[in-house]
Amino acid sequence: DTGVSQNPRHKITKRGQNVTFRCDPISEHNRLYWYRQTLGQGPEFLTYFQNEAQLEKSRLLSDRFSAERPKGSFSTLEIQRTEQGDSAMYLCASSLADQGETQYFGPGTRLLVL
Amino acid sequence: RKEVEQDPGPFNVPEGATVAFNCTYSNSASQSFFWYRQDCRKEPKLLMSVYSSGNEDGRFTAQLNRASQYISLLIRDSKLSDSATYLCVVKGNSGGYQKVTFGTGTKLQVIP
Repeated sequence: DTGVSQNPRHKITKRGQNVTFRCDPISEHNRLYWYRQTLGQGPEFLTYFQNEAQLEKSRLLSDRFSAERPKGSFSTLEIQRTEQGDSAMYLCASSLADQGETQYFGPGTRLLVL
Repeated sequence: RKEVEQDPGPFNVPEGATVAFNCTYSNSASQSFFWYRQDCRKEPKLLMSVYSSGNEDGRFTAQLNRASQYISLLIRDSKLSDSATYLCVVKGNSGGYQKVTFGTGTKLQVIP
């Protein structure tokens, strides 16, 4: 399967714990996006990378959230000191900047903070 | 005003019906427009891009009205398998970087 993959698919954690999610984009894609989606809402943009550079972060992204894409390939999203309000689906998408910007999404990581 | 607005629905239509969704956007400098489809508890998948001249893909027709700042999606001869949430996506530049904004989605339920 050469699509976008995300791990883990599900994560249950206790409030105050740190969690880290991984996204492996389609191999030739140079852009990588993180979104958060809650029930009944569309995906909310969190941040995006072009190669290894993090070009934009949403104001929604508090200091507890950090994302990296150290080699311009896979990316990690870390949430520190999780809160119940962080419970959501975290979606990763990748695209090739020169090809109309069609974004291909991974299956998401569903986070539940107890 | 939200940057991208959609009627959340649900739109309940019988098989074979024609249904249309609209999506309005607030940033007149928006450059690219898309419709994505999202099935329950699945990731969004691209349905079609929306071109200035309008475009059609089988039973699906997308149109852009820049003057009124909305895009539309028309589905003809609805199938049960069309039941899903349809997300409007608007892309444009913001502060020198690209910005991608999703609508909240319109839920479609096609009834036998």
